[in-house]
Amino acid sequence: QSVLTQPPSVSAAPGQKVTISCSGSSSNIGNNYVSWYQQLPGTAPKLLIYENNKRPSGIPDRFSGSKSGTSATLGITGLQTGDEADYYCGTWDSSLSAGKVFGTGTKVTVL
Amino acid sequence: QVQLQESGPGLVKPSQTLSLTCTVSGGSISSGGYYWSWIRQHPGKGLEWIGYIYYSGSTYYNPSLKSRVTISVDTSKNQFSLKLSSVTAADTAVYYCAVDRWSLWFDPWGQGTLVTVSS
Repeated sequence: QSVLTQPPSVSAAPGQKVTISCSGSSSNIGNNYVSWYQQLPGTAPKLLIYENNKRPSGIPDRFSGSKSGTSATLGITGLQTGDEADYYCGTWDSSLSAGKVFGTGTKVTVL
Repeated sequence: QVQLQESGPGLVKPSQTLSLTCTVSGGSISSGGYYWSWIRQHPGKGLEWIGYIYYSGSTYYNPSLKSRVTISVDTSKNQFSLKLSSVTAADTAVYYCAVDRWSLWFDPWGQGTLVTVSS
């Protein structure tokens, strides 16, 4: 099981805002950069946020990332039907089982 | 820009070795700072990192899979490969290759390939 915990699902109406939390520990989020990925149904994950809060070219500023202590948050404003997807956080974990780790994933539903 | 494409058998028998190849286009696999990774996703589940290789051949594997995983690189073909031995039904998953940039984030990803372990 993943060492990064996300809520299974979040939902909101079009145009509203949602936030997705990613909770970890000092061996992962607390001392490493966090990235976020969007996985639309039936497709491969796509990078949304890197180095905690940076957006790759082409990613709208409706998507934002932040980190505080051992938790990270992805925010999506102006929610659109096309945002319905699974979202994953990711980072490095330097515990005894060191390696790249992903969050449990969050399903975003646009009501 | 760099693009990745996975290839390999979609069906593998239990106890056999799963073998997949990722072909890199639009860039060189010898580019510094890029770690060439494999990630899998069990049906309806989350993402699991398998491991990565640097163009020099150095590797790092998920400790939970390390005893069964081998990742190799062929710079002449601009490809890297995954071998997972002694597979069981629990290894049935979509397998993705991806670029791990400076070991900090994955971008881009291949489209993924479903591998089913069944007799």
